[in-house]
Amino acid sequence: SQTIHQWPATLVQPVGSPLSLECTVEGTSNPNLYWYRQAAGRGLQLLFYSVGIGQISSEVPQNLSASRPQDRQFILSSKKLLLSDSGFYLCAWSVLLAESGQYFGPGTRLTVT
Amino acid sequence: GENVEQHPSTLSVQEGDSAVIKCTYSDSASNYFPWYKQELGKGPQLIIDIRSNVGEKKDQRIAVTLNKTAKHFSLHITETQPEDSAVYFCAASTTGNQFYFGTGTSLTVIP
Repeated sequence: SQTIHQWPATLVQPVGSPLSLECTVEGTSNPNLYWYRQAAGRGLQLLFYSVGIGQISSEVPQNLSASRPQDRQFILSSKKLLLSDSGFYLCAWSVLLAESGQYFGPGTRLTVT
Repeated sequence: GENVEQHPSTLSVQEGDSAVIKCTYSDSASNYFPWYKQELGKGPQLIIDIRSNVGEKKDQRIAVTLNKTAKHFSLHITETQPEDSAVYFCAASTTGNQFYFGTGTSLTVIP
């Protein structure tokens, strides 16, 4: 069976500090990978998605970036965090070109102080 | 691009009653419609889905209906229980690469 991991689970960072959130998927090959942000417990904002290694699509302009160094690894980064970057970050995967759902990780709660 | 609208934003029901959440979509090419349940502090969990060649699907107390002509689909929860309290999201997809989510419905089941 497939599983998705995210870490850390919670993070408190000062404004201006760097960020690195990691997501890994097990039990599947060549998945689509996604990063979402959720503010105030509602609404999923798509940040990035990837259909393969090194292939990243950005949905919103911001100070965040994403990378996919391996098939089942997806990383969300920032060089300098803003207060507005606080939120609940969710990684998800889906099967490429298939009528099936997305499967979400447990999320990372980021608080920028 | 696709636009998914979800109503209501909040819903309170008495335990044992039914709950209905409705979504509309704009892109007639959308052919896959999943529903997610998100409990506090957790990631959304896929609870049921429906494909465009099916009008209705049931799984125990949960059912989803799809009207392609009107471009709307609904989640029905019968015999609600307190553990059904959560935020529910609908979504629409075409190729399975991009998913477009509704804004969520916060369901409270009152014991």
